[in-house]
Amino acid sequence: KAGVTQTPRYLIKTRGQQVTLSCSPISGHRSVSWYQQTPGQGLQFLFEYFSETQRNKGNFPGRFSGRQFSNSRSEMNVSTLELGDSALYLCASSLGPGNTEAFFGQGTRLTVV
Amino acid sequence: DQQVKQNSPSLSVQEGRISILNCDYTNSMFDYFLWYKKYPAEGPTFLISISSIKDKNEDGRFTVFLNKSAKHLSLHIVPSQPGDSAVYFCASRDYGGATNKLIFGTGTLLAVQP
Repeated sequence: KAGVTQTPRYLIKTRGQQVTLSCSPISGHRSVSWYQQTPGQGLQFLFEYFSETQRNKGNFPGRFSGRQFSNSRSEMNVSTLELGDSALYLCASSLGPGNTEAFFGQGTRLTVV
Repeated sequence: DQQVKQNSPSLSVQEGRISILNCDYTNSMFDYFLWYKKYPAEGPTFLISISSIKDKNEDGRFTVFLNKSAKHLSLHIVPSQPGDSAVYFCASRDYGGATNKLIFGTGTLLAVQP
């Protein structure tokens, strides 16, 4: 069974631009969560989606947004990019809310210059 | 405010010996804990978990111990192998149950020397 697919794997953007990252969960999984990983900060929770609804949101500015489609695929968007947004963005897929076995994709490495 | 803490950024162990990775948490409402392993350029991989109703869970070479009174958990790897070299993250499920939000520690880089 295919794993979690994140695209693109690598991205370089300029300050002020906006970016959209994509995540396709494991087939049958309906819950998608997003995390940001930066050196020394571990993984910071961004959002959680289930059935196209945002169920939970982390402590990030409004420039970070996301959505989930009817096929459970999810996108996250970051507008007005800042240098500090450079990070590895990870998507995790689960069967549903409360099912804690989360499977992660390989991540999208975003570099803002 | 870091609710899940891994105070050792790195750990070096000889092959065949025991590796002990530690994790502390501050919120007594946390009821489910997980360990993930991460290689460079890959996403984290689930290793083992433990519910707060247990104090030990074992899976092959990996054992997790939970001490609720001390708000402390540890991951034991016996025997350690060079392929275990990776960053290990401790995580807690945010309490409330009907969520998949995980709160992660900052990770411990384990190096197993041949």
